[in-house]
Amino acid sequence: QKEVEQDPGPLSVPEGAIVSLNCTYSNSAFQYFMWYRQYSRKGPELLMYTYSSGNKEDGRFTAQVDKSSKYISLFIRDSQPSDSATYLCAMSAMDSNYQLIWGAGTKLIIKP
Amino acid sequence: DTEVTQTPKHLVMGMTNKKSLKCEQHMGHRAMYWYKQKAKKPPELMFVYSYEKLSINESVPSRFSPECPNSSLLNLHLHALQPEDSALYLCASSQKTGAEAQHFGDGTRLSIL
Repeated sequence: QKEVEQDPGPLSVPEGAIVSLNCTYSNSAFQYFMWYRQYSRKGPELLMYTYSSGNKEDGRFTAQVDKSSKYISLFIRDSQPSDSATYLCAMSAMDSNYQLIWGAGTKLIIKP
Repeated sequence: DTEVTQTPKHLVMGMTNKKSLKCEQHMGHRAMYWYKQKAKKPPELMFVYSYEKLSINESVPSRFSPECPNSSLLNLHLHALQPEDSALYLCASSQKTGAEAQHFGDGTRLSIL
């Protein structure tokens, strides 16, 4: 079993829809949770960075962490074709020197 | 545009060549990283520099040799690479190692003939 599980998709939704992207994990020591967006032929771009449980909002993006369920989510409201990309979750813990443990990435396609 | 700049964007080299990848950041970050990313896979950590000293080497073959000349620059020297080394090589930086967000460059796409 991988430490971090993420459905690779592709996930295809119509423009304007609310998108929900998710990761589950097995290591209860993870404390820091990140979402990166990666366009084709580009590097990962940090979208959201959260510590421990709770919600964080930034514009159209909301990150949720539920440590009791070992489940994190990224919601995208009013999705746009420009949101089409691969979304990677990553997490880290003090007991592994804060090295990022990555999900596989979900390919998201927003249809105009 | 990212704040971590990598050059060249593309590199094609033969198995006997020697080349270097370069990374530069001007955010005052004191931790810098090299990652390797294969198609449709997440990045894999190769090396970590903290305050210009190598702190983590993830059992990377010696044909990859990192160098950190100063706090803003990171190089990756390549020699006698194999076709399976073809990948996107990403540089990242963070304020320091630990629980700090890492910011990535757009990478160098390397092809080994």
